[in-house]
Amino acid sequence: DAGITQSPRHKVTETGTPVTLRCHQTENHRYMYWYRQDPGHGLRLIHYSYGVKDTDKGEVSDGYSVSRSKTEDFLLTLESATSSQTSVYFCAVGYSGTDTQYFGPGTRLTVL
Amino acid sequence: QQQVKQSPQSLIVQKGGISIINCAYENTAFDYFPWYQQFPGKGPALLIAIRPDVSEKKEGRFTISFNKSAKQFSLHIMDSQPGDSATYFCAASKRNYQLIWGAGTKLIIKP
Repeated sequence: DAGITQSPRHKVTETGTPVTLRCHQTENHRYMYWYRQDPGHGLRLIHYSYGVKDTDKGEVSDGYSVSRSKTEDFLLTLESATSSQTSVYFCAVGYSGTDTQYFGPGTRLTVL
Repeated sequence: QQQVKQSPQSLIVQKGGISIINCAYENTAFDYFPWYQQFPGKGPALLIAIRPDVSEKKEGRFTISFNKSAKQFSLHIMDSQPGDSATYFCAASKRNYQLIWGAGTKLIIKP
């Protein structure tokens, strides 16, 4: 599992509240990614990081922000959660932008 | 041009049969084509990958066939087993850019 943990694993929250998901890795991968997975849409990239404090937007970045202050941690924040952000969120890591990505176990988020 | 179209959306195959999942792309700059396998409740994991300098890559019962002129690639699972039941994703990327994912295929192998 490439030493990837995600927390929390499950969360239920209410519309309008901020939510932060954490991804932690132990193997010093340079690249870290946040995806969301929804039925019929596969995996959609939200944001990614290519180093400490270096981040960029993905396909579906609106309503999300990220931070990476240490190599091992990549945080995803939903600034004001909406029901459309109910999803399963996966963190992934890799050594380069086009090499193998190793995925964490996922976080199931429900926004009521 | 950035899309990767995957089909079918779902597939049921008898044990011992051949499972075939297809993907098509438009961007001729793509040069890396992986397949990921995902079991329920788990994150995806790399199954097999190919680069366009070869037309086929085989790892055990899993084979990628790549047709550069048609801009298509497919995953073949020989002698399909119930343990192969999972969701499969194709993806594509070009150097230094991010993976573009297909929508996934839910494969069920019937005993």
